Amino acid sequence: AQKITQTQPGMFVQEKEAVTLDCTYDTSDPSYGLFWYKQPSSGEMIFLIYQGSYDQQNATEGRYSLNFQKARKSANLVISASQLGDSAMYFCAMRDRYALNFGKGTSLLVTP
Amino acid sequence: GAGVSQSPRYKVAKRGQDVALRCDPISGHVSLFWYQQALGQGPEFLTYFQNEAQLDKSGLPSDRFFAERPEGSVSTLKIQRTQQEDSAVYLCASSLVVGNNSPLHFGNGTRLTVT
Repeated sequence: AQKITQTQPGMFVQEKEAVTLDCTYDTSDPSYGLFWYKQPSSGEMIFLIYQGSYDQQNATEGRYSLNFQKARKSANLVISASQLGDSAMYFCAMRDRYALNFGKGTSLLVTP
Repeated sequence: GAGVSQSPRYKVAKRGQDVALRCDPISGHVSLFWYQQALGQGPEFLTYFQNEAQLDKSGLPSDRFFAERPEGSVSTLKIQRTQQEDSAVYLCASSLVVGNNSPLHFGNGTRLTVT
């Protein structure tokens, strides 16, 4: 069975600084996809970034990038130049056949 | 609309009442998912539809939970004889296709409180 682990329940970062949110996973499938979502207090899950297991390069989307280390089974999200609006819950997820399995999430607070 | 729409946004039910939660996916999206999110936790998979066919309902916690998508678009999650442990946010998501790189697009959820 697949498993997603997010070990940081809460993180603080100062505005304009970079922050890394950790995610490790466990799977026996050679082909898999990893996703990061943001959930602000409004409740909606917002898709941020995707990394495929066979992708040659780390994924990037604007200020978001993935530090993908396949041998270590980690897919950490890096947010550069943090903004106050980045304060939210962040979830790492892995596709299991068709659905996504989510980790418990990390709460990020960006301070002025 | 452009996104996944869920209604109602909030629902308060007395224990034992039946509730129905509605999900309107993005137009043309074949796949539809329901998730349950308890406070402080990540979303947990409940059930999956491909068009009108319910292909997986392994995550439904009990036989009091029932989901349908009769015409392959709008879906309803019904909970019969609600219990306090059913209190959670229920999230609906859709995707155009199902593949490794296809993200799920989520609605704002319905927050159910059972008193």
